[in-house]
This record gives sequence, structure tokens and C-alpha cells, in this order.
Amino acid sequence: QKEVEQDPGPLSVPEGAIVSLNCTYSNSAFQYFMWYRQYSRKGPELLMYTYSSGNKEDGRFTAQVDKSSKYISLFIRDSQPSDSATYLCAMTINQAGTALIFGKGTTLSVSS
Amino acid sequence: DAGITQSPRHKVTETGTPVTLRCHQTENHRYMYWYRQDPGHGLRLIHYSYGVKDTDKGEVSDGYSVSRSKTEDFLLTLESATSSQTSVYFCAISSDRGSSYEQYFGPGTRLTVT
Repeated sequence: QKEVEQDPGPLSVPEGAIVSLNCTYSNSAFQYFMWYRQYSRKGPELLMYTYSSGNKEDGRFTAQVDKSSKYISLFIRDSQPSDSATYLCAMTINQAGTALIFGKGTTLSVSS
Repeated sequence: DAGITQSPRHKVTETGTPVTLRCHQTENHRYMYWYRQDPGHGLRLIHYSYGVKDTDKGEVSDGYSVSRSKTEDFLLTLESATSSQTSVYFCAISSDRGSSYEQYFGPGTRLTVT
């Protein structure tokens, strides 16, 4: 079993939909959780990060961590065609961040 | 791309030849990383550096070596390229000031080994 599991999709939604992207993990020592967005043929860009459990909101994006269930989510409200990309979750045990473990990514397509 | 450049951006090489990829940063960040990204595997860490001349292995380091002689440059060398090393290679950086788990990625190098 991989440390981080992420459904690769693809996920197709109409413009304006609420999107839910998820990852599960097996290592209870993970403390820092990140979401990256990757457009086709580009490098991943850091979208959001959270420490420990709880929610964090940034505009249309909300990151949620449930450490008791070992489950993290990224919600996108009012999705736009420009949100079409691959979303990667990542997590690490310590603040040094040298051992960042990535999910395989979920490909999202938002149609207008 | 957070002041990170990678060169070359595309390369086609033959099996058995040595290949060196370069990552250059202008952010003066302490940590630098090399990842490869493959369908079905996601991003996997090859090697990383925590300072000049300080490097360590990642998950998939076999067949790769790295060097860092200056803060701004991190080189990845494939000593004798194999077809299994056909991949997209990403360099990333992070700072040691606060949240060094926040890694910022370069644009990638697409390597094909024939």
C-alpha cells in the first residue's frame, strides 16, 4: 500500500460546480499537508498548505485535514475552466520538508 | 516559477550516454531537490541537497548522482542513461526560513532516452 493514495480521475464538471478532491494516507506521523496545481507541461505550483487538522480557506479554495481519518480534501467553489489542471496532494512529517510524499494527482476538467 | 530555471528543457539521448541536467535558482534557498514524474507513479524524489556539497538520496536514486558546488546550482547526472530514465525531471527549492516544507518547482526537463 502506498503511503498516499489519490484517485487519478479524470474528473469532469461543468463551470460553477463545487469540486471535491481527496487523498488518504497511512502514516499517522504526517503533520504538514499541501495541495499543488499542475497545468499541462508545466511544473507544479503550490496552491495551499495546512498544518495538522482543520480547515483553511483561500478565495474559492478550501483545504481540509481530518487526521483521525487520515483524509485530506481540497474543495473548489464556483469552478472555472481555468481550474482545469492536475491537482497533487503532498504531505510530510516535519517542517524540514525534505521527505515530501506526493499523491499521483487527480486530473480535473471544467467545461464552460 | 519562483526564480528557478532548468536546462535543457528538452533532451533526446541514446542509451548508455551520460546526461547532466542543471537547476539554477535566484532565491538563495538552502534546499534543492530533484524529482522525476512518470504516469502512474506521480512525483518521486531522486536526490536532494541541504547545502553546498551536502546531498542525500531520495526514493529513486539508483542510476543518478548529484552535485552542488554553489548555492544557486544543483546538477543531476545520469551516468549511463537507460530507457527507464525517460521521464520529466523537476527541480524544486525550499527555504530554511520558517516553513521549508513549502517547495517551489521549476518548469521541468523532458528527457527521452532512445
